[in-house]
Amino acid sequence: SQKIEQNSEALNIQEGKTATLTCNYTNYSPAYLQWYRQDPGRGPVFLLLIRENEKEKRKERLKVTFDTTLKQSLFHITASQPADSATYLCALGRGGGNKLTFGTGTQLKVEL
Amino acid sequence: GAVVSQHPSRVICKSGTSVKIECRSLDFQATTMFWYRQFPKQSLMLMATSNEGSKATYEQGVEKDKFLINHASLTLSTLTVTSAHPEDSSFYICSATPTDRGTEAFFGQGTRLTVV
Repeated sequence: SQKIEQNSEALNIQEGKTATLTCNYTNYSPAYLQWYRQDPGRGPVFLLLIRENEKEKRKERLKVTFDTTLKQSLFHITASQPADSATYLCALGRGGGNKLTFGTGTQLKVEL
Repeated sequence: GAVVSQHPSRVICKSGTSVKIECRSLDFQATTMFWYRQFPKQSLMLMATSNEGSKATYEQGVEKDKFLINHASLTLSTLTVTSAHPEDSSFYICSATPTDRGTEAFFGQGTRLTVV
């Protein structure tokens, strides 16, 4: 069955460092992969999308890589700030209709 | 940006009663909306795809008679949890995507349902 795994343990880093979150998947051939941010008690907010034929995408302090051979995506936040503290979800999609399958999420805490 | 509004944000109901949750796309039309549920520290699990003017498509294991979905207009989908039980207590979230935004999903703020 399809499985999407993210770091189950919370990630604590110091302000100013780069946070790297991992998303691994099995038994899936996604056409695209997305990353979302979710704050407690709120719905997810879209951050970045990367397609199967793309290796890397950047947006301001965010960078996403996508390796379809390794079946893995890495999500980087550079120069992290306490305001970046949240849960980050990866989501895989295939084909039309925008039906997404989500990973369990990784909680990031950026400390002063 | 596109806005999806969900109401109510929190609801407490007695076991055996029904609860209706609304999901509205405020500044765009959505022929398709998605309903998810999320348990604490777990992933969003897709429950069903809501299709305007036709029946919803339910994921495997989701009871269609328990979770009634109505998508009567291009801006509104409702999820009714019928005969709610404590195990239905969860965080319910809807999403929709404007046609000009590709695959980017916009989520409502979620509804925390507590059945007592």
